[in-house]
Amino acid sequence: DAGVTQSPTHLIKTRGQQVTLRCSPKSGHDTVSWYQQALGQGPQFIFQYYEEEERQRGNFPDRFSGHQFPNYSSELNVNALLLGDSALYLCASSLVRARNYGYTFGSGTRLTVV
Amino acid sequence: GESVGLHLPTLSVQEGDNSIINCAYSNSASDYFIWYKQESGKGPQFIIDIRSNMDKRQGQRVTVLLNKTVKHLSLQIAATQPGDSAVYFCAEIINNAGNMLTFGGGTRLMVKP
Repeated sequence: DAGVTQSPTHLIKTRGQQVTLRCSPKSGHDTVSWYQQALGQGPQFIFQYYEEEERQRGNFPDRFSGHQFPNYSSELNVNALLLGDSALYLCASSLVRARNYGYTFGSGTRLTVV
Repeated sequence: GESVGLHLPTLSVQEGDNSIINCAYSNSASDYFIWYKQESGKGPQFIIDIRSNMDKRQGQRVTVLLNKTVKHLSLQIAATQPGDSAVYFCAEIINNAGNMLTFGGGTRLMVKP
């Protein structure tokens, strides 16, 4: 049973460009959350998608947007990249009705903005 | 805003000793806490969780203690092994604030052979 898969694993972009990161949730999960993890820090919540809609959003600018598809997979888009957007982007899937939430994380996409 | 934090950034222990990793939280509305282990190049891996109506929960070689009076959480690892070397994060979910995870800054555990 595959867990959460993210692609690509590494990415280098130039300041001002746009990037799209992808996530396939664990089988049976219906909710996808995205987190940004700067080097040496804990992950910070970006947003969460359920039923193809953004349900919650953290303190991130509108340059960060997302989408969830009918098969529950998700994309994270970042426009007008800044050097400070360099980070590990983590996707976590869960089941909305799970009593203990059951978050499962992927290994992340390492984004470097130069 | 309020967030979860950790007391120590790095903890070095001898193989076979017990490890204790601490975490402080500030939001009294937090009702669910999770400890995660993150190895280099990987995403956070679930270790153990505890709800706010409990003060102790045990797993295999791990125990989580919750002291709501002082808003303190700890992770105890028994007989620490080299494979336990990683960064450990505590995370909380705040009641009635959705189910997003709020993470602390992490503690690096280094196990000396």
